[in-house]
Amino acid sequence: DTAVSQTPKYLVTQMGNDKSIKCEQNLGHDTMYWYKQDSKKFLKIMFSYNNKELIINETVPNRFSPKSPDKAHLNLHINSLELGDSAVYFCASSHQPRASGGSDTQYFGPGTRLTVL
Amino acid sequence: LAKTTQPISMDSYEGQEVNITCSHNNIATNDYITWYQQFPSQGPRFIIQGYKTKVTNEVASLFIPADRKSSTLSLPRVSLSDTAVYYCLVGPLSGGSYIPTFGRGTSLIVHP
Repeated sequence: DTAVSQTPKYLVTQMGNDKSIKCEQNLGHDTMYWYKQDSKKFLKIMFSYNNKELIINETVPNRFSPKSPDKAHLNLHINSLELGDSAVYFCASSHQPRASGGSDTQYFGPGTRLTVL
Repeated sequence: LAKTTQPISMDSYEGQEVNITCSHNNIATNDYITWYQQFPSQGPRFIIQGYKTKVTNEVASLFIPADRKSSTLSLPRVSLSDTAVYYCLVGPLSGGSYIPTFGRGTSLIVHP
């Protein structure tokens, strides 16, 4: 009965490859997020979707493309992976019903540790 | 958007009370203060949220002075399992163009 799940948990790949990380939430929330956490524990938001609509896009390279097939899923596809993409990626969701956003409680997934060689 | 400042790291010992202060000098009238806790190899989890004065739950207390320009997360009698990173966020509960800003948080290490 995991609330927010991510797959895979670990991802090791070569530079230049394309990879995807999947996220699903069973909380019935309207808003989902992707965060990147670097080796210094700096946690930064990348994207936010509300009911499948992009509402936050924080200056992330075009190589990163989020896709939300429905409001329970938010997947992250990364093209042409670079060494600097190595990090832990967290998916989160919140009830926040309005597209304009707010600081409603977020529920995080367990993270996906991406290592680019 | 209100910016927050908190210490990068803190050390404590088991059984002590730990207070982590977060500064948010330009907090807006409709902003709330929210704290998250992140254990190693896990995602952050919500621990407490408040608007003014004092909020207490089974995990922590949150003290907010009248001017709301800072807040203090208080962990009573910490144990080794409280070793974690603690993040302070400030923002409205709804509306506006809020962008969640976690930053580096405060890394708390509890020693035996």
